[in-house]
Amino acid sequence: NAGVMQNPRHLVRRRGQEARLRCSPMKGHSHVYWYRQLPEEGLKFMVYLQKENIIDESGMPKERFSAEFPKEGPSILRIQQVVRGDSAAYFCASSVRGGRGAVEQFFGPGTRLTVL
Amino acid sequence: TQLLEQSPQFLSIQEGENLTVYCNSSSVFSSLQWYRQEPGEGPVLLVTVVTGGEVKKLKRLTFQFGDARKDSSLHITAAQPGDTGLYLCAGVAGNMLTFGGGTRLMVKP
Repeated sequence: NAGVMQNPRHLVRRRGQEARLRCSPMKGHSHVYWYRQLPEEGLKFMVYLQKENIIDESGMPKERFSAEFPKEGPSILRIQQVVRGDSAAYFCASSVRGGRGAVEQFFGPGTRLTVL
Repeated sequence: TQLLEQSPQFLSIQEGENLTVYCNSSSVFSSLQWYRQEPGEGPVLLVTVVTGGEVKKLKRLTFQFGDARKDSSLHITAAQPGDTGLYLCAGVAGNMLTFGGGTRLMVKP
């Protein structure tokens, strides 16, 4: 059973370009979470999605960032007009269920975005 | 805003030594998780503690959840070079995990 897959693993963009990060959850998981990690820091929650629905986007910047999890295909985190401050590792996690309580989230290997 | 503070931020010790990492918050969490993250990889869940005062052991690792469910500690006995990594605590509240800043542990042979 393959784990959470993210691609690309490394992404280099110039300021003003768009970055698209993809996440395929574990088989049977319909809940996806995106986190951002700056160097030497912990992970910061960005958004929680179920298939075709955004459940909680309280951690998403109001501008330039968007996320989707379509009925078919991977979840996409999209960053428009990237700036240097967007350089970070972006992690996706998935779980078999959501809601309250200690739900185990399985993390992917991350996408390291570098903005030149 | 719920915040988790971990201490120390960095720890370098010799193989065989014991160590304790702390995770403190002013907020109450329904449960607390500890993760270990290797360079270039995502975090991997080590343990979830749910009940105030709970103690869980995983081989040489002992995890404790404070009585008030606001703090936790991770104790490693006889550390080995394979324990080297970033240790993250995360508080569970609703759908969200709130992560601490991490403790970077290096165990020298």
